[in-house]
Amino acid sequence: EIVLTQSPATLSLSPGERATLSCRASQSVNSYLAWYQQKPGQAPRLLIYDASKRATGIPARFSGSGSGTDFTLTISSLEPEDFAVYYCQHRSKWPSFTFGPGTKVDIK
Amino acid sequence: QVYLVESGGGVVQPGRSLRLSCAASGFTFSKYGMHWVRQAPGKGLEWVSVMWSDGSNEYYADSVKGRFIISRDNSKSTLYLQMNNLRAEDTAVYYCARDIANTVFGVGWIDPWGQGTLVTVSS
Repeated sequence: EIVLTQSPATLSLSPGERATLSCRASQSVNSYLAWYQQKPGQAPRLLIYDASKRATGIPARFSGSGSGTDFTLTISSLEPEDFAVYYCQHRSKWPSFTFGPGTKVDIK
Repeated sequence: QVYLVESGGGVVQPGRSLRLSCAASGFTFSKYGMHWVRQAPGKGLEWVSVMWSDGSNEYYADSVKGRFIISRDNSKSTLYLQMNNLRAEDTAVYYCARDIANTVFGVGWIDPWGQGTLVTVSS
């Protein structure tokens, strides 16, 4: 079973700052990795899939990179609405899907 | 606009059963794989099950295999999750969600999601 680890658990930043979130897989998932955003009391929404492709309607300030075991979600300049929890997810062991434990981005 | 509306949650005793429904609208339901994902209170996301668009295949997380059954009625644009022999650890918000690809088996990326329905397993 592939395990996803996310770091840091919490990231405290100010609006306008750059956020860099990490997701590491216990073995290679190629580029089969996605990122989701979840705000309090809301359902998750897909931000990035196939490691670097932005989902429909996602602003350009969100970008994803990486392959194999190490992946990064970057938010170039935090907007107030970006403070949320972010999860990574893999699908390399089709049709099994696993989420990481999440990174909370909160206001410093 | 895509809508996914879950129903059927509630409080149930351990060992009992519950059936969740997800009414879909705003897209051609029969063309998309559909997922159930759950989230225990204050915890992260856990994928539960997927069914292919034509209903020909279904897959489950190990934690629910043998107890939960996913099904769909494409004529009613509705997804179901039959949950049997419920345990305390099944307590969670259950989300219905669509695969992003309109192919029979999808691609495993999940969006959009419904607002979820809370299932509480407690005596």
